[in-house]
Amino acid sequence: AQSVSQHNHHVILSEAASLELGCNYSYGGTVNLFWYVQYPGQHLQLLLKYFSGDPLVKGIKGFEAEFIKSKFSFNLRKPSVQWSDTAEYFCAVSVPEDDKIIFGKGTRLHILP
Amino acid sequence: GAVVSQHPSRVICKSGTSVKIECRSLDFQATTMFWYRQFPKQSLMLMATSNEGSKATYEQGVEKDKFLINHASLTLSTLTVTSAHPEDSSFYICSAPGLAGETQYFGPGTRLLVL
Repeated sequence: AQSVSQHNHHVILSEAASLELGCNYSYGGTVNLFWYVQYPGQHLQLLLKYFSGDPLVKGIKGFEAEFIKSKFSFNLRKPSVQWSDTAEYFCAVSVPEDDKIIFGKGTRLHILP
Repeated sequence: GAVVSQHPSRVICKSGTSVKIECRSLDFQATTMFWYRQFPKQSLMLMATSNEGSKATYEQGVEKDKFLINHASLTLSTLTVTSAHPEDSSFYICSAPGLAGETQYFGPGTRLLVL
């Protein structure tokens, strides 16, 4: 069965710092990968997704993620964070033949002004 | 830690029947729960926000008469797919915020197949 690991449960950064959130999945076949963000009190929003093609995916709000198949990873990055990036970030994986989506436990990001 | 359960995990039904999916917060109370739908080869889509003690808030394009939501208690929200059709076949997942909204807990999802 697929699983998703997010190693950082809570990350605290200052504004303008660079961000990288780790995500690893376990599944030997083709996967679809997602990063979602949840701002305080709001529902999930899609940041970016990878289905196929260029493994470097650019999403909204300056976020990007790189799919490294050999490492089963899909880390989220942003070169310079803002206070408004304070939120919880979820990595997720689904298998093309199966529309079930598996979420990681989330990483809480706190940006200091 | 907090857990959200969904029941059933998988359901197969005939076209025209109604299906009820339950979402429970097992060891915490949730005045709000979210219902999502996973379309094939797409990302999760928010369908509605379930509010305990008041009507659900539906996203644009979601038929409230077809997807009935009832937040019966602080630990239970139900989604009923009425007069289900094959195009309703999908993966439905709910989530509930933890105390003070510190995180979101996801249910394991329900796979609906309408024949």
